[in-house]
Order: sequence, then structure tokens, then C-alpha cells
Amino acid sequence: GAVVSQHPSRVICKSGTSVKIECRSLDFQATTMFWYRQFPKKSLMLMATSNEGSKATYEQGVEKDKFLINHASLTLSTLTVTSAHPEDSSFYICSARDLTGQETQYFGPGTRLLVL
Amino acid sequence: KQEVTQIPAALSVPEGENLVLNCSFTDSAIYNLQWFRQDPGKGLTSLLLIQSSQREQTSGRLNASLDKSSGRSTLYIAASQPGDSATYLCAAQGGSEKLVFGKGTKLTVNP
Repeated sequence: GAVVSQHPSRVICKSGTSVKIECRSLDFQATTMFWYRQFPKKSLMLMATSNEGSKATYEQGVEKDKFLINHASLTLSTLTVTSAHPEDSSFYICSARDLTGQETQYFGPGTRLLVL
Repeated sequence: KQEVTQIPAALSVPEGENLVLNCSFTDSAIYNLQWFRQDPGKGLTSLLLIQSSQREQTSGRLNASLDKSSGRSTLYIAASQPGDSATYLCAAQGGSEKLVFGKGTKLTVNP
């Protein structure tokens, strides 16, 4: 089956620093990737839709200057949390939709971010 | 705005029991509905996807049904096993590809 990887799986950083999270589709090409955020005991919330070669579409309430998304190739999207603060601590999950147009989104294993 | 609700929030059953997880959604204009499994601290594993034109899907001991008109889906797990312990999430997908997730049902199957 289709595999999506995320790196790193866990990161601890100091407040004020920036953190980059990578999302890769390993065995398929993805024109569209999605970034989600999950708080404890809460639903996964879609943050933004990332389209290869174009600007990401952010959901209402998500700061685009805070969460920078780059989808430079058909297999890689990155999420950079800039000037991280403790309230940015969360579980970030990406998903990818393959080029064949199948509806299924394949999810990465997630990245746990802790900002001290 | 689509809202997805899952009941119960947590469920504990003895091994071998059959069980049903419930998912309801407010906007029936969905493209599909998916059920996922999430283990603690892990990502999501897709279990079943039901297209809007379908009534149910089956995979092994899992059966998911969809009733668009009533805005409901159920996930039936037969002969539950301790390895089934996880959080089960349902998500409704609209035409914009966006998935709207419920908060999940945390299932514990006791040996």
C-alpha cells in the first residue's frame, strides 16, 4: 500500500526557534498533501492544503506566516513552525493524495512537537 | 459547516464481544466517509472507506455502514481482540477533499 513518512517523529525545541517537519510520499506521487493538527482528546483539525507548485490554502484561523508550507515536489511537503511558542506544542500529521485521483488520503505517522 | 460526532467517547469490552461504534455527521452532502484507527502517539491507519453511493464496506472482522439520509455511519467489529484496542476515528469528506474528523472512540478490549 501507499506509504507516507514524516520526519522527525518527535522534536523538542526552545521557544522562539523554528522547526521544520517533512512529509514524504514514498511510493507514489502526490499533487495534494494535507497538514493536520491534533490536540489531546480533540479531533484532527485540517490546517492547510498543500498543492505541488502553488501556494498552500490555509483554513480559517490558521496563521500562514506562522505555519509555512512548501510543496516543492510531487513527493515532499514541508511544514515550518516559525518562532515556536509552547501553545504550538501538538501532534502534527500530514496526508497525501495520489495522482491517480483516488479519494483515499494516506496518512503519515505524525510528528510530536514540544516547545519549551 | 460539517460537524462529526462520535459516540461513545470511550468503550471497554471483554475479548470476543461484538461491538458497534457510532458516527454522525450534520451535512449529508458528503463524498465519502472513512474510518481510521489510531494507536497512542501514532498516525492514522485507514480501515474502511465508504463512497457516498455505497451502503457498507467490509474488511475482515470490520463492517462499516453508511446512511447518508440520516447522517450516520457505524463501524461493527466482530469477535473483538485485545489487539483491536485503539482510538477509532471517523471522517466525512466533502467535495472540497477536506476531511472533517470526529473526536474518536477509545476502545479497550480486555483479555
